Amino acid sequence: DGGITQSPKYLFRKEGQNVTLSCEQNLNHDAMYWYRQDPGQGLRLIYYSQIVNDFQKGDIAEGYSVSREKKESFPLTVTSAQKNPTAFYLCASSIGQTPTYEQYFGPGTRLTVT
Amino acid sequence: SQQGEEDPQALSIQEGENATMNCSYKTSINNLQWYRQNSGRGLVHLILIRSNEREKHSGRLRVTLDTSKKSSSLLITASRAADTASYFCATDRMNTGFQKLVFGTGTRLLVSP
Repeated sequence: DGGITQSPKYLFRKEGQNVTLSCEQNLNHDAMYWYRQDPGQGLRLIYYSQIVNDFQKGDIAEGYSVSREKKESFPLTVTSAQKNPTAFYLCASSIGQTPTYEQYFGPGTRLTVT
Repeated sequence: SQQGEEDPQALSIQEGENATMNCSYKTSINNLQWYRQNSGRGLVHLILIRSNEREKHSGRLRVTLDTSKKSSSLLITASRAADTASYFCATDRMNTGFQKLVFGTGTRLLVSP
């Protein structure tokens, strides 16, 4: 069964704590992405990675960090510096550089910070 | 910033009717993609149309692209209750050499039995 997995599905944290969201893919895709989705909104790009050990900031990278030590894995850390961390977070991957290729999405992680 | 803007924001129809959603964008594109999102789930790719294409079909889906008007439409024919979802268009935008996708705010489609 090929695809992208994200865990956990729901995550609750207290304000001031860092939290790491997991994203794993077994599609052998080079490119991976993290998006944030707020209610009634489209997706906004947080970080993307075209290849292992390389990643770039997207439109709203402040307060977030990522790593890409393995091709299959692209974890996202939401730090205490992120002012409004409560949101739905989506991880995606594609064979290569978009927009030539479609993106495959994971099921998402809903993060609530109180 | 948003590149694509979908219209209408919400659409409610009966099963068997056709549903048309529109997407407008601001800058030149290479490709435009449509995605579907069921409530609380990830997005699923529906169709990609290149800038040199005017129309594309996939099953009950028909996508048109008018680059002169910077707009695209997604038509779902003979809709079913299972088509209830949000639909997003996504366009490419060059960003320091990496063409990333920029998503619109989506159209929420409700198909009633």
